[in-house]
This record gives sequence, C-alpha cells and structure tokens, in this order.
Amino acid sequence: GENVEQHPSTLSVQEGDSAVIKCTYSDSASNYFPWYKQELGKGPQLIIDIRSNVGEKKDQRIAVTLNKTAKHFSLHITETQPEDSAVYFCAALPRSYNTDKLIFGTGTRLQVFP
Amino acid sequence: KAGVTQTPRYLIKTRGQQVTLSCSPISGHRSVSWYQQTPGQGLQFLFEYFSETQRNKGNFPGRFSGRQFSNSRSEMNVSTLELGDSALYLCASSFTTGGSGEQYFGPGTRLTVT
Repeated sequence: GENVEQHPSTLSVQEGDSAVIKCTYSDSASNYFPWYKQELGKGPQLIIDIRSNVGEKKDQRIAVTLNKTAKHFSLHITETQPEDSAVYFCAALPRSYNTDKLIFGTGTRLQVFP
Repeated sequence: KAGVTQTPRYLIKTRGQQVTLSCSPISGHRSVSWYQQTPGQGLQFLFEYFSETQRNKGNFPGRFSGRQFSNSRSEMNVSTLELGDSALYLCASSFTTGGSGEQYFGPGTRLTVT
C-alpha cells in the first residue's frame, strides 16, 4: 500500500532561521499533498497544500515544493517565529490503490527558540 | 464560519464499555472523515462518510463503526472498549469526497480507557 515517510522527526531552530521538513511517497500517481500544523491540545490545521500539476506554492512565510520524479515534497518555513512551534504532518493522496484516503506522515516536532 | 466541532472533548471509559463520539462538520460540508491519533501509530484513517453513506474504510476492527445523518453530522461508536483504544479521535470535514478536497479537522475527543 501507499507509504509516506517524513523527516526529521524533531527539528530545533533559532528564531529567524529557516526550517525544512521533507516527505517521500511511494505511489507515483498521488496527486494531492497537504500539510498540517498541530498545536498542543488542538486538531491539525491545514496550512498549505499542493497538487501534482504544480511544482511550488507559496503563502507568506511558508512554501511547499513538489518533485514528482523523485516522489518527494517539502515544507519550507522562513523567518521562523516561536509561534511556529508545533507538530507538522505531511500527507499524500494515492491514486493507484482504489482508495480515496489521505496517508499521513509520522510528524515533525518543530521547536523555535527565541 | 464556525469550524468543526466535536463532543465530548474528553472521555474516560472502562474496558468492555462502549462509547459514542459526535462530530458536526463545517456548514455546507458533506464529507466527514474520522481518524485515530496515537503517539505510536500517528494519524490512522478510520472511515469516511459522504451523504450518509460510508465511502471509505480503514483497517480497523468491526468494533469501530460510524454513521452520518441527513444534516451531515456524524457519530462514531466503539464497542467493547480495549485499553489500546485510548487515543485522540479526530474528525475532519470536507466539501467534497474523495480525499482531494481540503479537509478541516476538529479539536478531537480524547478517549481514555481504564
């Protein structure tokens, strides 16, 4: 079945630095890749997503890039702030297994130190 | 626009009991998906309902069931609770089905089985 691997599992950065989280997927037919941010005690919040017909999407300080050939996509956060501290999940929607369910990565705990 | 709401937020049950969780989607959304989140297994898909029909099901035993009402509100039921069912149960609503629509999560119900 479809598998999504996410790295790193934890990431610590200094405020103002950039943070990059990477995910790889196994189904080459996957066509939708959302990213979620989960703060303590809350449900995951959709922060950005990308579809397979584009290579990059940006929204203020966050951006997502997609490399379909290599089957990986990444979340980039620039000028990090303490409020960016949270667990981030990537997900992929496979198309080769006759299923319509998102497969999630295992999460990255991002800590931004002031 | 109000977000996804889940009730109750916290629940403590004993092994062997059953439990019913409720989810009210964003107004206008007709798809509700349920996920189990645990530290060890991450986010695991339980099932999706769209227009009162189960569209998709994850790899969980038959003790886990759900339903959706005509107003799109959904309930999830777990019978004969086991210690391993302790988890955060999240629901997510979407305007469309098929996983490729943007999914918005509720705050979750924290279930503890003793």
